[in-house]
Amino acid sequence: QVQLQESGPGLVKPSGTLSLTCAVSGGSISSSNWWSWIRQPPGKGLEWIGEIYHSGSTNYNPSLKSRVTISVDKSKNQFSLKLSSVTAADTAVYYCARRVYDSSGYSLFDYWGQGTLVTVSS
Amino acid sequence: DIQLTQSPSFLSASVGDRVTITCRASQGISSYLAWYQQKPGKAPKLLIYAASTLQSGVPSRFSGSGSGTEFTLTISSLQPEDFATYYCQQLNSYPPTFGQGTKVEIK
Repeated sequence: QVQLQESGPGLVKPSGTLSLTCAVSGGSISSSNWWSWIRQPPGKGLEWIGEIYHSGSTNYNPSLKSRVTISVDKSKNQFSLKLSSVTAADTAVYYCARRVYDSSGYSLFDYWGQGTLVTVSS
Repeated sequence: DIQLTQSPSFLSASVGDRVTITCRASQGISSYLAWYQQKPGKAPKLLIYAASTLQSGVPSRFSGSGSGTEFTLTISSLQPEDFATYYCQQLNSYPPTFGQGTKVEIK
């Protein structure tokens, strides 16, 4: 059973950089999957931030691309998110998730972390 | 970006009711659509992908249909544990996007 666990500071100052890590257990981050970050502002809907493959290939949401960096550490079986120049609008629960492809080529987000709330405030 | 619009945004129903939620895409997405259930304070849980494929372990009272721009999630007989918020998601093109959610509450 794959498990994902987010960790990182719960409070970040405006204009600072949000940094989170997602530890993967029960499976290898080097498997043929993409590893994503998704966020949810309090009381609102879900927004996909971006993803990384174990090779280091990335895809980002254009709305956040200029501020986002996602990286992978295969030795620690984890991947990370950095979001720069944060404002109060970046306050959200941040989730990490695994995206896989089935035999027909359809993708799905099958495993999610429990989420971690990051508040941007001075 | 592809926009997904769910209807209704809020639904009040009783245990045993048949419930249908609709998701409309701003452009055709073939069958690249998933449905999630989210309970307060929890991560979304995958219910259906490829528009109609039931994820392993999900009760058969959940079903999905549609292709192109219109999709539905149906719960054949609502159970107490089904009261939650439901989201659709398109995976046809980047970036993957979600609907705004449908909250299912007890009547």
